[in-house]
Amino acid sequence: EVQLVESGGGLVQPGGSLRLSCAASGFSVSSNSMSWVRQAPGKGPEWVSLIYSGGATYYTDSVKGRFTISRHDSKNTLYLQMNSLRGEDTAVYYCARVGDSSVSYAMDVWGQGTTVIVSS
Amino acid sequence: DIQMTQSPSPLSASVGDRVTITCRASQSISRYLNWYQHKIGKAPRLLIYAASSLQSGVPSRFSGSGSGTNFTLTISSLQPEDVATYYCQQSYSTPLFGPGTKVDIK
Repeated sequence: EVQLVESGGGLVQPGGSLRLSCAASGFSVSSNSMSWVRQAPGKGPEWVSLIYSGGATYYTDSVKGRFTISRHDSKNTLYLQMNSLRGEDTAVYYCARVGDSSVSYAMDVWGQGTTVIVSS
Repeated sequence: DIQMTQSPSPLSASVGDRVTITCRASQSISRYLNWYQHKIGKAPRLLIYAASSLQSGVPSRFSGSGSGTNFTLTISSLQPEDVATYYCQQSYSTPLFGPGTKVDIK
């Protein structure tokens, strides 16, 4: 079964760090492009970061220099290292598989999400 | 930067009604437009990709159309299990979601 399971969320103080994990099953993270998407309370989804199968990475402007996306091929796991966290980073964080051009680069597999709360 | 808008929101309709949600892009995105359904506490679900292609496993009452800047998602006969928020997303450039349309039963 194709599945994504996130972990690593929690309560962290402003300025702190967290590392989110996304364990994949049923497909290879390294052979696919993967994204992190977050949804703050009462708001719509916001794309956060993308890693292409070739390894290139991209970030939304608000997290550049603070967040790092990576993957561990043998563990078939995607990560999001989040540093210098701010209150506006509070959200449910989802990982998603990004399809190729044949599916218009749609996000066709999603995890259930992990909650990050940044508060003192 | 491309901006996405959706209408209406919210949307209230009766079981069996035909429901149409509109999504507009601030510039042409060809057919790089995807639709998702999101129920509270669940993972978002891809319904439609490339403006009009039905994702595997999605009921045929869902359909999409459009190209360029104007797109629609149609539910041909609204069912109770369709209560959710629906988001369009452009994949022409940096992924961007619309603000969402919350659908409930009248």
